[in-house]
Amino acid sequence: GESVGLHLPTLSVQEGDNSIINCAYSNSASDYFIWYKQESGKGPQFIIDIRSNMDKRQGQRVTVLLNKTVKHLSLQIAATQPGDSAVYFCAENIGGGSYIPTFGRGTSLIVHP
Amino acid sequence: DTEVTQTPKHLVMGMTNKKSLKCEQHMGHRAMYWYKQKAKKPPELMFVYSYEKLSINESVPSRFSPECPNSSLLNLHLHALQPEDSALYLCASSQDVPDQPQHFGDGTRLSIL
Repeated sequence: GESVGLHLPTLSVQEGDNSIINCAYSNSASDYFIWYKQESGKGPQFIIDIRSNMDKRQGQRVTVLLNKTVKHLSLQIAATQPGDSAVYFCAENIGGGSYIPTFGRGTSLIVHP
Repeated sequence: DTEVTQTPKHLVMGMTNKKSLKCEQHMGHRAMYWYKQKAKKPPELMFVYSYEKLSINESVPSRFSPECPNSSLLNLHLHALQPEDSALYLCASSQDVPDQPQHFGDGTRLSIL
């Protein structure tokens, strides 16, 4: 399940399950959204992005959903594997031509074999 | 392997030392960034260079001094740091246009004694 508190939100799943990581963004003018994966000891790694003129985009085992009405973004990982264990950050680019993202606080995904 | 290379990977320094962090990319990106990341927190933007010119300084103390010698290199000069400056320092690059993801290095783990 998911726990949210003073520490980094954590989602624990079993290997093979589907994972859903959620993100609420702050600015209704944001027009570009990115998901990053950060493994321990490494920098954030680009996973998938979506522009505001779309509501869904699929990659390999990952899907990003965008709901602009409620300013919500989600990352779905199919058949989660132990190698998916990491911290996941959503980021938004404020509209108006910005190329500088604002990062959300992150969610720690733990995959149990 | 990341396309953004940061050196050194680890650095321990005293509060009176002067040291530099280095970052290199050969993707032809014209925007380069320095971020500071504390444990279990998202990256915090420090500086942005666009076409080798400093375009954003997020009110960073003057003991951090960035430098962009050319379009492939980014340095961060450190002097008289404080223990609270201990963190992971991440470099990133991107196309200098909206709607493009950033590419991150694996960071320099900095410890101030």
